[in-house]
Amino acid sequence: GDSVTQMEGPVTLSEEACLTINCTYTATGYPSLFWYVQYPGEGLQLLLKATKADDKGSNKGFEATYRKETTSFHLEKGSVQVSDSAVYFCALLKGNNRLAFGKGNQVVVIP
Amino acid sequence: GAVVSQHPSRVICKSGTSVKIECRSLDFQATTMFWYRQFPKQSLMLMATSNEGSKATYEQGVEKDKFLINHASLTLSTLTVTSAHPEDSSFYICSARGPGGGRAKVEFYEQFFGPGTRLTVL
Repeated sequence: GDSVTQMEGPVTLSEEACLTINCTYTATGYPSLFWYVQYPGEGLQLLLKATKADDKGSNKGFEATYRKETTSFHLEKGSVQVSDSAVYFCALLKGNNRLAFGKGNQVVVIP
Repeated sequence: GAVVSQHPSRVICKSGTSVKIECRSLDFQATTMFWYRQFPKQSLMLMATSNEGSKATYEQGVEKDKFLINHASLTLSTLTVTSAHPEDSSFYICSARGPGGGRAKVEFYEQFFGPGTRLTVL
């Protein structure tokens, strides 16, 4: 079935460093893709989305490009801040209009 | 716009009691609401989907008699954990989806998430 795979393990980096979180998907057709962010003790917030191939979603300095050739939707930010510390989830919209989430990546930004 | 609230944010209860969690869409009509469960450092697991005025659809492996869902109005869904046990301790998150459109031009499939409820069963 449709699914999302995120890179294993937490990510720890220094302030102003570059961040990349890998996300690949398996699906029939071309589903809409999303990145959600979860701050400590809170629910999920939509960070960005892309609804078709080659679309680039962007928000708050984060970007992700929908690449059908590599079935990927990697999240990137050029210069992270301490306030970016959170858990990031990649997700796709399945044919039954349900979301399928990846396992999430904890990002810790050190001052 | 598109705010979803949950109440309570935290609840601690004794084993064997029932706990009710409310999910409300504050500024839009939620035709569909979803209930997720999140274990520590894990992803969200969809438990059930509810449409206003009809019975919830439960995912495989989720006990419908254990987790009672009621979607009585277009702005309120409740999840009741019956006869809670320590293994039911988790973070429960709801999301709501409206009909789409409107001034915010929300896509019909877009889900808006509540802040979650931390349930601890002693």
